[in-house]
Amino acid sequence: DTGVSQDPRHKITKRGQNVTFRCDPISEHNRLYWYRQTLGQGPEFLTYFQNEAQLEKSRLLSDRFSAERPKGSFSTLEIQRTEQGDSAMYLCASSPPPPGVVYEQYFGPGTRLTVT
Amino acid sequence: AQTVTQSQPEMSVQEAETVTLSCTYDTSESDYYLFWYKQPPSRQMILVIRQEAYKQQNATENRFSVNFQKAAKSFSLKISDSQLGDAAMYFCAYRATTGANSKLTFGKGITLSVRP
Repeated sequence: DTGVSQDPRHKITKRGQNVTFRCDPISEHNRLYWYRQTLGQGPEFLTYFQNEAQLEKSRLLSDRFSAERPKGSFSTLEIQRTEQGDSAMYLCASSPPPPGVVYEQYFGPGTRLTVT
Repeated sequence: AQTVTQSQPEMSVQEAETVTLSCTYDTSESDYYLFWYKQPPSRQMILVIRQEAYKQQNATENRFSVNFQKAAKSFSLKISDSQLGDAAMYFCAYRATTGANSKLTFGKGITLSVRP
């Protein structure tokens, strides 16, 4: 399957622990996005990569959050010193470069984080 | 900043009937994209339909169509001949056409149930 994949699908952690999520975009998609979705809400933008460059970060991305995309392929999102308010679904999406359909973002299944 | 509002948290429709989901948005841009995404329970988000703001003609994709009212900043989704598989959360989303970042701004979503 060539869709966006995310790992793990579920993560339960204790408050204060660090967690790392991985996203593998669709092959040859150079744009990669991270969103956070809390219960009953729509996804909220966290950060955006074009190739390996992180071009924008939301104010939601506090200093405890860091994202990387080495070599412009997969991406990781790390949360340090997790808090209960970090409990959410973390979604990754990718889109192709021109002349591909750049407006369409393809979403992965998400990683559900529960902080106890 | 752009905002997307979905004021109906839940809707229900009888199988084979038609239902309309409402969405309003706010932007100072003249050109942009609008989308409806579907998120089935425990499954990933998929694009249902898109509308380019510069196009006056309303988009249609099989049983799905939109009513785009640019002056009113309204973007509703009509689902005809509703099927059980249409049950899901539906999100309205906005994307600017300019700028390096093509992030999506989502509404809170609406839960659609389909009665057999």
